[in-house]
Amino acid sequence: AQSVAQPEDQVNVAEGNPLTVKCTYSVSGNPYLFWYVQYPNRGLQFLLKYITGDNLVKGSYGFEAEFNKSQTSFHLKKPSALVSDSALYFCAVSRGANNLFFGTGTRLTVIP
Amino acid sequence: DAGVIQSPRHEVTEMGQEVTLRCKPISGHDYLFWYRQTMMRGLELLIYFNNNVPIDDSGMPEDRFSAKMPNASFSTLKIQPSEPRDSAVYFCASILGTGGGGSPFFGPGTRLTVL
Repeated sequence: AQSVAQPEDQVNVAEGNPLTVKCTYSVSGNPYLFWYVQYPNRGLQFLLKYITGDNLVKGSYGFEAEFNKSQTSFHLKKPSALVSDSALYFCAVSRGANNLFFGTGTRLTVIP
Repeated sequence: DAGVIQSPRHEVTEMGQEVTLRCKPISGHDYLFWYRQTMMRGLELLIYFNNNVPIDDSGMPEDRFSAKMPNASFSTLKIQPSEPRDSAVYFCASILGTGGGGSPFFGPGTRLTVL
């Protein structure tokens, strides 16, 4: 079975500072890993994914994530946070099928 | 394309009533997913279809829940009878399957409140 853990329910960061939202996964075989963002009263929007290749993946809105196989992690990062980045972030995993299993989400608040 | 369309956007009903949620996937997509989002459990996959056929319904919480996909452009999720603990946001998502690794497109969700 596959699972995803987002150990932090809430992350606060000052505007302009780097941000990290953590994700660890458990899956047999090679994982497909995803990050989605959810703004209030909206559906989930795709940010980036790792399938294979370079461990550093770049996505939308200046976000990037690093796949670390030994630590089974896929942390989301951004060098300089914006107030508009404040939202709910979800990490997800699949085993190659098209159905994703999501973490419980991390609420990011960027403080002006 | 208008994206994944869900209706209604909000539904308030009383316990015991039947509730039907509707989804129109993106044209050409062959996978459709139903997810439920609650504060306690986060995002849960309820069921998904491939080419209108249910593939995995192991996430459907109980027999009160049923889902159908009569054609490639329409799916329903029905709860009968509804209970207060069914209150949640229900998302539909679709994708064109490419052997895995695709990122589904999500609809705006239906916020269900059962009184």
